[in-house]
Amino acid sequence: AQTVTQSQPEMSVQEAETVTLSCTYDTSESDYYLFWYKQPPSRQMILVIRQEAYKQQNATENRFSVNFQKAAKSFSLKISDSQLGDAAMYFCAYNLGNEKLTFGTGTRLTIIP
Amino acid sequence: NAGVTQTPKFRVLKTGQSMTLLCAQDMNHEYMYWYRQDPGMGLRLIHYSVGEGTTAKGEVPDGYNVSRLKKQNFLLGLESAAPSQTSVYFCASLRRGGLGSYNEQFFGPGTRLTVL
Repeated sequence: AQTVTQSQPEMSVQEAETVTLSCTYDTSESDYYLFWYKQPPSRQMILVIRQEAYKQQNATENRFSVNFQKAAKSFSLKISDSQLGDAAMYFCAYNLGNEKLTFGTGTRLTIIP
Repeated sequence: NAGVTQTPKFRVLKTGQSMTLLCAQDMNHEYMYWYRQDPGMGLRLIHYSVGEGTTAKGEVPDGYNVSRLKKQNFLLGLESAAPSQTSVYFCASLRRGGLGSYNEQFFGPGTRLTVL
């Protein structure tokens, strides 16, 4: 079974600085998808960024980028120029397409003004 | 286009009571999912459906039943609520991306359920 591990329950970063959230996963598949979701206090799950395993290029979305290391099964999220609105729980997730998302346990990110 | 909606947003039950959570989506998606979120455990799949009239068990199905009588609706039922079912429940539907594109799950706003 696939597992997703987020080893940092909590992280904090100074506003305008850069922070990296870690995620590792375990799978025997070669084609899959990885995601980072943001969950603010409103509880809404918001897709931040996704990565297709067959793509070597790391995905970027504005201030958000990933470091995808397929051989190491690592998928970290880098947030540049952190803003107060970035404060939230961040979940790493994995799936094979139509199947369910397998989530990590989350990292709570605090932004220090 | 409302996306994925959930009813109710909050509910308090007593042990042994029953209730149904309603999920609706207006995006004509075939696949729908019910997850529960507990502190420190991320989201876990309860049941899912790959189309109207079909349901399947997920990771934590015990104590729950589901029905998908209409394509746009996915109902989650608790026949006899227990305190262990206190959680936040999320519904999601899947947009299939087709060849060369990825599939994306869209989430509802969640339902906070407390069982006393």
